[in-house]
Amino acid sequence: ETGVTQTPRHLVMGMTNKKSLKCEQHLGHNAMYWYKQSAKKPLELMFVYSLEERVENNSVPSRFSPECPNSSHLFLHLHTLQPEDSALYLCASSQEGVGTEAFFGQGTRLTVV
Amino acid sequence: EDQVTQSPEALRLQEGESSSLNCSYTVSGLRGLFWYRQDPGKGPEFLFTLYSAGEEKEKERLKATLTKKESFLHITAPKPEDSATYLCAVQALRYAGGTSYGKLTFGQGTILTVHP
Repeated sequence: ETGVTQTPRHLVMGMTNKKSLKCEQHLGHNAMYWYKQSAKKPLELMFVYSLEERVENNSVPSRFSPECPNSSHLFLHLHTLQPEDSALYLCASSQEGVGTEAFFGQGTRLTVV
Repeated sequence: EDQVTQSPEALRLQEGESSSLNCSYTVSGLRGLFWYRQDPGKGPEFLFTLYSAGEEKEKERLKATLTKKESFLHITAPKPEDSATYLCAVQALRYAGGTSYGKLTFGQGTILTVHP
């Protein structure tokens, strides 16, 4: 496999459920990111991990909890979400150093009912 | 605060009708400007990186240019398969948690539709 892989591609969950999104990168990169993409809005940076350490938490509610067990894997744990959290969640990776492009996964389309 | 504004929000072209998309930005310490293409329901696909004013890059029917305040994505003789949302992002060096990283700030995108 190559690139950045996200699972699942689609997820429907109730507000009381707990679920996790998974991201795996096969590019040998050392930085990984979670973005949220809502309709008619720019991509919103949620979390940044550099060398497996969280370096940015962009004022994200605590119902979203990231985990980066190693440089190739990134998780986003979800619990007690709200309907407004429905969006496309995108994972990206890059080789840390400014001026280097980020490569994105295909995203998880999350619907909270 | 870094800001990126893309215009127009939507652009409809006839096949073969050339045009340009605009990306205006304000950023403290630009380290790179990126263009991505995004198809519906998919993740953004990397197109170009531009680093300094005056730089140009080309790929098939697309050419990206950069000035100190904006970037243009020129589309020459587009085809229906060029229909997509085009995203612009600026990268700046940021410090957090005792380390540095390149933070991307995205515009809202331009939805391009090319009719046959």
